[in-house]
Amino acid sequence: DVKVTQSSRYLVKRTGEKVFLECVQDMDHENMFWYRQDPGLGLRLIYFSYDVKMKEKGDIPEGYSVSREKKERFSLILESASTNQTSMYLCASSLGGEKLFFGSGTQLSVL
Amino acid sequence: AQSVTQPDIHITVSEGASLELRCNYSYGATPYLFWYVQSPGQGLQLLLKYFSGDTLVQGIKGFEAEFKRSQSSFNLRKPSVHWSDAAEYFCAVGAWGNKLVFGAGTILRVKS
Repeated sequence: DVKVTQSSRYLVKRTGEKVFLECVQDMDHENMFWYRQDPGLGLRLIYFSYDVKMKEKGDIPEGYSVSREKKERFSLILESASTNQTSMYLCASSLGGEKLFFGSGTQLSVL
Repeated sequence: AQSVTQPDIHITVSEGASLELRCNYSYGATPYLFWYVQSPGQGLQLLLKYFSGDTLVQGIKGFEAEFKRSQSSFNLRKPSVHWSDAAEYFCAVGAWGNKLVFGAGTILRVKS
């Protein structure tokens, strides 16, 4: 089975901190995605990547950046964390158009 | 712009009863449609997908969904719900390449 691993299940940070969320997939998938999940809003796409060193903005990229230096790893960066970035962050990967494989999520709290 | 509406935030059904979760979408081209399920503390798992062909699609865990182009709907159904089906369900629409737009989700509660 495909495994998508997110480095932390729970994370607590202070306002203004730089935050790194890491995601690793083990199936050589080309496509990787970062979503945030908020109650009543569902999942919203932050950034995605179709290849190494390539990135594209999703629907809500403001306040975030990403890095993909290796095919298996896709990092989400909060340059200066704010309280409105408190959320569940979900990483996903896919090979083509079939389906997304999701990690278990990182619940980030910004105080 | 593409969008997905799941009108029901919460649904409660009795174990053994039938289930239908509603999903309406707005999309400019032929859509790819998905239903995902999220159990507590878990990531999302694909239940089923529609790309083309037969408009009634079968998925895992006894779920099915029917694509109705005229109604822009892709409702999820199950004839008999089990307590383990309690979870949050997400409908999603997109194009090939997986840039999906998700609905807000429907939380299913199952009462015994």
